Amino acid sequence: AQSVTQLGSHVSVSEGALVLLRCNYSSSVPPYLFWYVQYPNQGLQLLLKYTSAATLVKGINGFEAEFKKSETSFHLTKPSAHMSDAAEYFCAVSLYTGGFKTIFGAGTRLFVKA
Amino acid sequence: DTAVSQTPKYLVTQMGNDKSIKCEQNLGHDTMYWYKQDSKKFLKIMFSYNNKELIINETVPNRFSPKSPDKAHLNLHINSLELGDSAVYFCASSPPGGFLGEQFFGPGTRLTVL
Repeated sequence: AQSVTQLGSHVSVSEGALVLLRCNYSSSVPPYLFWYVQYPNQGLQLLLKYTSAATLVKGINGFEAEFKKSETSFHLTKPSAHMSDAAEYFCAVSLYTGGFKTIFGAGTRLFVKA
Repeated sequence: DTAVSQTPKYLVTQMGNDKSIKCEQNLGHDTMYWYKQDSKKFLKIMFSYNNKELIINETVPNRFSPKSPDKAHLNLHINSLELGDSAVYFCASSPPGGFLGEQFFGPGTRLTVL
């Protein structure tokens, strides 16, 4: 069965520091993987997606993620954190069951300190 | 131009009441979803419709009934509201498989049952 595990419910970084949010997946078939961001009191917004093309995926706002099949990981990174990056981040895996069903991780709250 | 809209944004009601949440998307997508996000930010799919047909129905109490009058609308009716129904409900839509499961989310409806 497909599942997603996000390591760390909270991550705190200083402004300008590297952001690393961890995600491991479990999938019996080649996965479609996503990172979504949720700002306070808003809906989720797609950051980036992996769909079996390049393993290094670039997204919006300077974020990128690398698909590593051997490690079943899809960690999200950003070289330099900005205050506006403070939000909840969700890793997700999609499977097709007559329509796409997306399973979300529990989320990681990113705090950015000045 | 709002892509996925939900009404109302906030809903406060008493236990035992019946309420509805409406969702509309103007993206021309075929598939729409309802998600429930609990107080710990955990996001779980409830229903999915493709071209007005129900395709995903997770383990959700019968008190929850989705209705899709056309492929641009997916409404959620909840009977006999309970305290545990308090959550944020998100509507989402996705295009046909060409975007491989990417979803577009509405702003959410915060339901509080007293």
